[in-house]
Amino acid sequence: EAGVAQSPRYKIIEKRQSVAFWCNPISGHATLYWYQQILGQGPKLLIQFQNNGVVDDSQLPKDRFSAERLKGVDSTLKIQPAKLEDSAVYLCASSPGVGVGNEQFFGPGTRLTVL
Amino acid sequence: GESVGLHLPTLSVQEGDNSIINCAYSNSASDYFIWYKQESGKGPQFIIDIRSNMDKRQGQRVTVLLNKTVKHLSLQIAATQPGDSAVYFCAETAGTASKLTFGTGTRLQVTL
Repeated sequence: EAGVAQSPRYKIIEKRQSVAFWCNPISGHATLYWYQQILGQGPKLLIQFQNNGVVDDSQLPKDRFSAERLKGVDSTLKIQPAKLEDSAVYLCASSPGVGVGNEQFFGPGTRLTVL
Repeated sequence: GESVGLHLPTLSVQEGDNSIINCAYSNSASDYFIWYKQESGKGPQFIIDIRSNMDKRQGQRVTVLLNKTVKHLSLQIAATQPGDSAVYFCAETAGTASKLTFGTGTRLQVTL
């Protein structure tokens, strides 16, 4: 079974530039998550989708971050404009559904460096 | 800040020994806990989970212990192998939501 795919794997930009990340979840998984992982810390949930609807975006900095999952499959996460503190690994995960027992499978992440 | 994040707690064990990684959680409403392993350049990988109605669960070479009284979780790895070298995170969630809150992680180094 193919895992969660993410691209690009690495991105270097200057502050105030824009950047977008792409995620393709495991086929059939209804739930998709974007996490931010700052170096040396645990992942922090940014946004959770159930199919193409947003379930939780309480920790998404909405003034600069946006995410969409238009057809309930692939998703993109955008940062516009980027700040130095956005340097982190952005992880996408997917699960069959929500709730206990629905294991989240993580992609390899996109490492963003903002200069 | 970033300087705090860089100083991950590190556990160094010899190959073949048992490892115990600890995690404290703060939300008394958390009722489901998961241990993840994260190797360099990869996303977290599920190891084992436990629900709050249990205090122990065993898998292959791994055991998770839950002490709800002191809000403490531990992961025991038997006969630690070089391939176990990674950062280990505990994560918790409350209720039926899937929102996971991750701890800061512990780096496990296996020496030969």
